[in-house]
Amino acid sequence: QLQLQESGPGLVKPSETLSLTCTVSGASISSSSYYWGWIRQPPGQGLEWIASIYYSGTTYYNPSLKSRVTISADTSKNQFSLKLTSVTAADTAVYYCARKEVGSSYGFDYWGQGTLVTVSS
Amino acid sequence: DIQMTQSPSSLSVSVGDRVTITCRASRSITRYLNWYQQKPGKAPQLLIYAAWSLQSGVPSRFSGSGSGTNFTLTISSLQPEDFATYFCQQSDSTPYTFGQGTKLEIK
Repeated sequence: QLQLQESGPGLVKPSETLSLTCTVSGASISSSSYYWGWIRQPPGQGLEWIASIYYSGTTYYNPSLKSRVTISADTSKNQFSLKLTSVTAADTAVYYCARKEVGSSYGFDYWGQGTLVTVSS
Repeated sequence: DIQMTQSPSSLSVSVGDRVTITCRASRSITRYLNWYQQKPGKAPQLLIYAAWSLQSGVPSRFSGSGSGTNFTLTISSLQPEDFATYFCQQSDSTPYTFGQGTKLEIK
């Protein structure tokens, strides 16, 4: 059974870098059939796609965050990661990692449970 | 970016009701529209992909329709476990964007 699990600090200070890792079990992130990505949700608000990565290393970013975001993958550990620099209170959110099948017809079919990251001094 | 607009933002409904939620895209996305259900404290769950294809394991009371810019999620007979927030999302092009959500509340 495919599982995704986010990990990382729950509290980050303003202006610092938010770093999260998603560990995937039950499937290989090296599969050519899927993208792996990050989505966030501020408390009580809607969902925002942040970035996705393909097994080849190709990355896709939301232009609204692109200058501050890096997504990367470690295939040896079957993990992918998110770094968001220069965080502010507006970056406080539940961060989810998720899988999406290749092709426009598909949505995010597997999600991690989410991890709340609070930006505060 | 493609803007996704859902309506209504909330809906007071009863068990057994037929529920319809709409989603409009700011430009044509053919059929590249997905629907999710989210319960409090949980991750979203994919219900419908490609406008009307039912995700594996999702009850058949959920259905989707539409193409181009106008889409609909229908719950044929609302069950107690369906009280949740529903989001649409376009997968036509990045950046992938979501609607603002529709919360189903108990009447």
